[in-house]
Amino acid sequence: DTEVTQTPKHLVMGMTNKKSLKCEQHMGHRAMYWYKQKAKKPPELMFVYSYEKLSINESVPSRFSPECPNSSLLNLHLHALQPEDSALYLCASSRGTSGSTDTQYFGPGTRLTVL
Amino acid sequence: SQQGEEDPQALSIQEGENATMNCSYKTSINNLQWYRQNSGRGLVHLILIRSNEREKHSGRLRVTLDTSKKSSSLLITASRAADTASYFCATAGYQKVTFGIGTKLQVIP
Repeated sequence: DTEVTQTPKHLVMGMTNKKSLKCEQHMGHRAMYWYKQKAKKPPELMFVYSYEKLSINESVPSRFSPECPNSSLLNLHLHALQPEDSALYLCASSRGTSGSTDTQYFGPGTRLTVL
Repeated sequence: SQQGEEDPQALSIQEGENATMNCSYKTSINNLQWYRQNSGRGLVHLILIRSNEREKHSGRLRVTLDTSKKSSSLLITASRAADTASYFCATAGYQKVTFGIGTKLQVIP
């Protein structure tokens, strides 16, 4: 099974709402990632988890809060977002057993709209 | 920045023709990866080439890497309409990859 799943597929939220994005993989991968992608732009790395510990935070605003409850799950908690946070949010995983980043497997993404 | 820069940013070809996309980067890398993205969807990994490799093939794909010039190319042979997508190179360092700006490929039937 080389699938990474993400829920929900679409999310519309107001600036005062609290919501969460979920990501799951069952490939035994030990590295998981959150990316943000705006239209016609490349994915931008937000967070990296390695062995369930946050290893990289690319200076992401605190209104985005990642969580890795176990080796298969990755959440992104959203609170007090701004309209400019509207984007496609992608989750990915990789084996993560060496220092170098290996092949990443991406989920289909969550299309987020902030009103 | 390690960010790759693809060239061209947009490419339109007839079905059956070959498509070549180039990627340049600035710093040393562990490996370089190519991904495809269909409109508004997740990325699909195509091929990974390590820094000590010069060429790699996978089906209709051929990737080259020149670390002295800090550049890579992706060749898609005998293109098909289904190859229409955006293609990104991604340079891999420690624990993360950085994506280039991408090439939007249109294959006309």
